[in-house]
Amino acid sequence: GNSVTQMEGPVTLSEEAFLTINCTYTATGYPSLFWYVQYPGEGLQLLLKATKADDKGSNKGFEATYRKETTSFHLEKGSVQVSDSAVYFCALSVYGGATNKLIFGTGTLLAVQP
Amino acid sequence: ETGVTQSPTHLIKTRGQQVTLRCSSQSGHNTVSWYQQALGQGPQFIFQYYREEENGRGNFPPRFSGLQFPNYSSELNVNALELDDSALYLCASSPTQTGTANIQYFGAGTRLSVL
Repeated sequence: GNSVTQMEGPVTLSEEAFLTINCTYTATGYPSLFWYVQYPGEGLQLLLKATKADDKGSNKGFEATYRKETTSFHLEKGSVQVSDSAVYFCALSVYGGATNKLIFGTGTLLAVQP
Repeated sequence: ETGVTQSPTHLIKTRGQQVTLRCSSQSGHNTVSWYQQALGQGPQFIFQYYREEENGRGNFPPRFSGLQFPNYSSELNVNALELDDSALYLCASSPTQTGTANIQYFGAGTRLSVL
């Protein structure tokens, strides 16, 4: 079946530190991969996406590369800010029949301290 | 352009009651999906509607049902509420363009508490 596994949190970093949040997936077919971010008390916002192998998604200084050989889509940022504190969800979408549902990991809480 | 809006933002019900949650999709989107997010977990797919028809369902019992209206807005109905139904319910809409059909845009959610 289809599933997403991401590193457990919380991840606590100092401002300007380097961030990596690991994500691996299992999928039948050819999934699209996503990172969503959830700020406290809010819904999910799309952070970045990649739709095929070796694609790199990027947004707001965050990057993730679709690695088919390792079935991974790790999120990275070179220098985090306090405002990046949120829960990050890795997700995949496989178009099956008429449905393009998203399958999410359990989320990783990032706390950035000044 | 108006984003996805959900109402109400918070709701408190007692076990056994019924609840209706509402969602207005983003302009130009004809597909709506509903997700349940329990505390500390990732969202779980409930079902999806396309042009007023349910076209996919997750592992949720029949007491979870939905509707989509001609203007593509949607409702999620839950009957015979149980304590475990307490969660954040998220609505997401998708655009009609084929190339971006699998990008889903989420509302802020409805927080349901069942006592």
